[in-house]
Amino acid sequence: KNEVEQSPQNLTAQEGEFITINCSYSVGISALHWLQQHPGGGIVSLFMLSSGKKKHGRLIATINIQEKHSSLHITASHPRDSAVYICAVSYNFNKFYFGSGTKLNVKP
Amino acid sequence: GAVVSQHPSWVICKSGTSVKIECRSLDFQATTMFWYRQFPKQSLMLMATSNEGSKATYEQGVEKDKFLINHASLTLSTLTVTSAHPEDSSFYICSARRTQGGTGELFFGEGSRLTVL
Repeated sequence: KNEVEQSPQNLTAQEGEFITINCSYSVGISALHWLQQHPGGGIVSLFMLSSGKKKHGRLIATINIQEKHSSLHITASHPRDSAVYICAVSYNFNKFYFGSGTKLNVKP
Repeated sequence: GAVVSQHPSWVICKSGTSVKIECRSLDFQATTMFWYRQFPKQSLMLMATSNEGSKATYEQGVEKDKFLINHASLTLSTLTVTSAHPEDSSFYICSARRTQGGTGELFFGEGSRLTVL
């Protein structure tokens, strides 16, 4: 079983700050997903990574396969970024393990 | 982008009744859909993997007779909570993976909040 650990569990930031959320896993994976869950519960898939780095707008996701570690960065954070960010790893895209999530609150 | 729709978004039912939740991929075909359960302030827990045209694969500890999953077409999977009890109250979410032309990315439904009285 893969253990997926996220840090921090809770994060409060001021608008405009650069934010980093970390995810570590214990076993080799086929892909890592970063998900965003808003207070209403709906989930949006932000990134799927197998290697390297991806960027979408103010969001950047990186993964280091050797170190079994991924980071999600948010540049110029905004209150609308407030949500729970979840890291999930998959094997052959069929088996998923989820981190406990990082609750981000960006204050204006 | 791809859209996955869940219905209903919330439901309240009496103890002992059965509740059906639908998960539809609106603009793509999904051979495989996944059902998750989320308790308050906890992360997602995979309940089962739903495969079109075959039996679902349930995770350890999930009662297949309690949570009936049917994946009758490439765009629809249903989860039926049978003889629901208050402890079944939870947030249920589905996700789907595009069958063809996709990269393996998951698309999630909006979730269904079940409250059993």
